[in-house]
Amino acid sequence: GEDVEQSLFLSVREGDSSVINCTYTDSSSTYLYWYKQEPGAGLQLLTYIFSNMDMKQDQRLTVLLNKKDKHLSLRIADTQTGDSAIYFCALGAGNTPLVFGKGTRLSVIA
Amino acid sequence: DTGVSQDPRHKITKRGQNVTFRCDPISEHNRLYWYRQTLGQGPEFLTYFQNEAQLEKSRLLSDRFSAERPKGSFSTLEIQRTEQGDSAMYLCASSEGRTLDTIYFGEGSWLTVV
Repeated sequence: GEDVEQSLFLSVREGDSSVINCTYTDSSSTYLYWYKQEPGAGLQLLTYIFSNMDMKQDQRLTVLLNKKDKHLSLRIADTQTGDSAIYFCALGAGNTPLVFGKGTRLSVIA
Repeated sequence: DTGVSQDPRHKITKRGQNVTFRCDPISEHNRLYWYRQTLGQGPEFLTYFQNEAQLEKSRLLSDRFSAERPKGSFSTLEIQRTEQGDSAMYLCASSEGRTLDTIYFGEGSWLTVV
């Protein structure tokens, strides 16, 4: 089955850019998501990219997909304290349920 | 659109008791998913419905777990004879059911088994 790996922690200073990385094993994934989870809350859909795209930009968020290396990244520009949360990448294909990574805890230092 | 709604948000129960969670998906969303999340982990798939049909169940869904979506709208997840290992957040999600889909999650239902 699909294996999705993320680094567990990332710490950045307020105003800097954050880059959260995700690697996966199943090249058949057709849609790739980034979700944000704040303490005690559910998952908020941030953005997604389809496998036929290399990049997607949405305001402060930039998603890059390297299909050859099976690597997905989320860049947050001008990181704010309100961006502190856990970020999950999730992958799916066709009718298969999403497979999630373990999440990256982003800490933003003021 | 009020989003995916889950109830209750928190439940504390004694080991051996039964619990039931309810999920109301976004209106007109055909697909409804249940996931479980334990501390420090990502969500793990339990089961999903296409309208009222339960199409897939994970091996995580033991025979103590049952999910229904009788009219293709709201869904319930029941856990019988709860065990301490069932303590987790149970997340519901819904989507339109298109081939390239976006899936929206609710706020989750926290279960603590004491």
